Amino acid sequence: NAGVTQTPKFQVLKTGQSMTLQCAQDMNHNSMYWYRQDPGMGLRLIYYSASEGTTDKGEVPNGYNVSRLNKREFSLRLESAAPSQTSVYFCASRRGGGVVEKLFFGSGTQLSVL
Amino acid sequence: ILNVEQSPQSLHVQEGDSTNFTCSFPSSNFYALHWYRWETAKSPEALFVMTLNGDEKKKGRISATLNTKEGYSYLYIKGSQPEDSATYLCAFWGNTDKLIFGTGTRLQVFP
Repeated sequence: NAGVTQTPKFQVLKTGQSMTLQCAQDMNHNSMYWYRQDPGMGLRLIYYSASEGTTDKGEVPNGYNVSRLNKREFSLRLESAAPSQTSVYFCASRRGGGVVEKLFFGSGTQLSVL
Repeated sequence: ILNVEQSPQSLHVQEGDSTNFTCSFPSSNFYALHWYRWETAKSPEALFVMTLNGDEKKKGRISATLNTKEGYSYLYIKGSQPEDSATYLCAFWGNTDKLIFGTGTRLQVFP
């Protein structure tokens, strides 16, 4: 089992370019999440999908869109990248909606926007 | 805005020392408190999930306690080893249906 797989691991964009971060999990989890990690700040939730077919905004959704393509895959799109979106992005999944269900994280994507 | 605070921000200890750090969270609308361990260049991994006031969890040399009435959790590491070096994250689950993460405590254990 690969767990949660994120691609790419590294990306450099110019301001205004677009890109999609891909995430897939093979654990048959219902819920999937996108977080960003910035120095001095905790993991902040961008968007999440509680179940296949649903998506909701997190704390910092501006400038991003998501697609829950199927139960396995949850992608994050930057339509017009800005330097403020330079960050490390983590995809995560968990089995269900219960509060005791722990998160499983991907290996992260380091994104730089110049 | 829900505040989850962790202290200290960073900690340097010698191998064999015992250490502890704190996670503070809102004492109202509490559902669960998660602890994650995040090693450099790896992904965060879950250590504990705690739900009840007075809960204590243990995994090897690492243990955690929970006080939901006053809104804090302690993480203890007994006899720290270099492989314990990591950032330790806590995350609060309240009534917002989302996990809110603290900024983490970065632990470095020197041989």
